[in-house]
Amino acid sequence: GAGVSQTPSNKVTEKGKYVELRCDPISGHTALYWYRQSLGQGPEFLIYFQGTGAADDSGLPNDRFFAVRPEGSVSTLKIQRTERGDSAVYLCASSVGQGSYGYTFGSGTRLTVV
Amino acid sequence: GIQVEQSPPDLILQEGANSTLRCNFSDSVNNLQWFHQNPWGQLINLFYIPSGTKQNGRLSATTVATERYSLLYISSSQTTDSGVYFCAVVQGGKLIFGQGTELSVKP
Repeated sequence: GAGVSQTPSNKVTEKGKYVELRCDPISGHTALYWYRQSLGQGPEFLIYFQGTGAADDSGLPNDRFFAVRPEGSVSTLKIQRTERGDSAVYLCASSVGQGSYGYTFGSGTRLTVV
Repeated sequence: GIQVEQSPPDLILQEGANSTLRCNFSDSVNNLQWFHQNPWGQLINLFYIPSGTKQNGRLSATTVATERYSLLYISSSQTTDSGVYFCAVVQGGKLIFGQGTELSVKP
């Protein structure tokens, strides 16, 4: 597509539930990144994919967080047993290769855990 | 890991004024990017600037990689320039963000 698309734009869930956040990158972009942004902070790296494989998942906070990109295009960030501290805006970005030409971000998914 | 520090953290300007935002980073980087986050949360690319100077309308940016800093200049500011400006450096294939400068331009 023309830009990075993230769905849903907003998600409210109850503590303990499972959620999935979707990212559809720019067509042809091989690298895909997930970030998390809390209020008043800069985005924090979670994980990035080069093709289908996770090249770096060092930012995932714990084993409740998992992400996949099975066909090298769309990615899903999965959060199990959500906690109130997971509330944040989850941003996705994509780039050609490893960002040699810059990174383009989606509009984010605002997750609220109540 | 690499540290990215932005200054000032907050800035209030009168419409028409000029400003300079600074980004310091603690280690050599492959590349650097400036973003504007609008009030709706969208991160908008401003400059991809690993070194040198670039200009786009009222905005320009300079990166001096050997001295580990970058500057973003905003001239003749407008109310639509309000929002948070982030500097992000590329290390290990991923972007590392600073904490941002929150700019408010008053009419």
